[in-house]
Amino acid sequence: DVKVTQSSRYLVKRTGEKVFLECVQDMDHENMFWYRQDPGLGLRLIYFSYDVKMKEKGDIPEGYSVSREKKERFSLILESASTNQTSMYLCASRQALNTEAFFGQGTRLTVV
Amino acid sequence: GESVGLHLPTLSVQEGDNSIINCAYSNSASDYFIWYKQESGKGPQFIIDIRSNMDKRQGQRVTVLLNKTVKHLSLQIAATQPGDSAVYFCAENSGGSNYKLTFGKGTLLTVNP
Repeated sequence: DVKVTQSSRYLVKRTGEKVFLECVQDMDHENMFWYRQDPGLGLRLIYFSYDVKMKEKGDIPEGYSVSREKKERFSLILESASTNQTSMYLCASRQALNTEAFFGQGTRLTVV
Repeated sequence: GESVGLHLPTLSVQEGDNSIINCAYSNSASDYFIWYKQESGKGPQFIIDIRSNMDKRQGQRVTVLLNKTVKHLSLQIAATQPGDSAVYFCAENSGGSNYKLTFGKGTLLTVNP
């Protein structure tokens, strides 16, 4: 069974902390994505990566960075967490164009 | 449909009825579309997809219709069951070599027993 695994289901962090959200996929997919999900706003793309060490900004990259050192792992970094980054974060991977994306179970991050 | 402010469009149906969930997409160059189901506390799950060279595709109890003229996508669920209660999202791939999927804001489906 295909799997996208996010390292934490729930996280609580303090304002100003550096936060790492980790995502691992076991499908040997080229493309990985980080979305955030907020009520009434749907899923918004933060960053995506189409190959190891390659990344592209999505629609809302401000305040975030990413790292893809290995094909199976894609990390989202909040350099200095702020309360407006409280959200549900979803990682996804997909192999190619015109194929589905597989999602992890989500990380609910609360910044206090 | 589109959401206004923080309010998610909702659809409430009786168990056993058919459900139709609609989605308007934005990019006329989009060539691939997916419907996802998201249950509370879980990540989105794939339901069905359709390419732009088709106007209809059927799965088990689900049918997706694509109308490129008006940029409209719909998901029909036959004999809706309580387990179908979830938020449903459409997603579009904008074509070319762009791997990005753009999601709609979602519709909440509630199935009453």
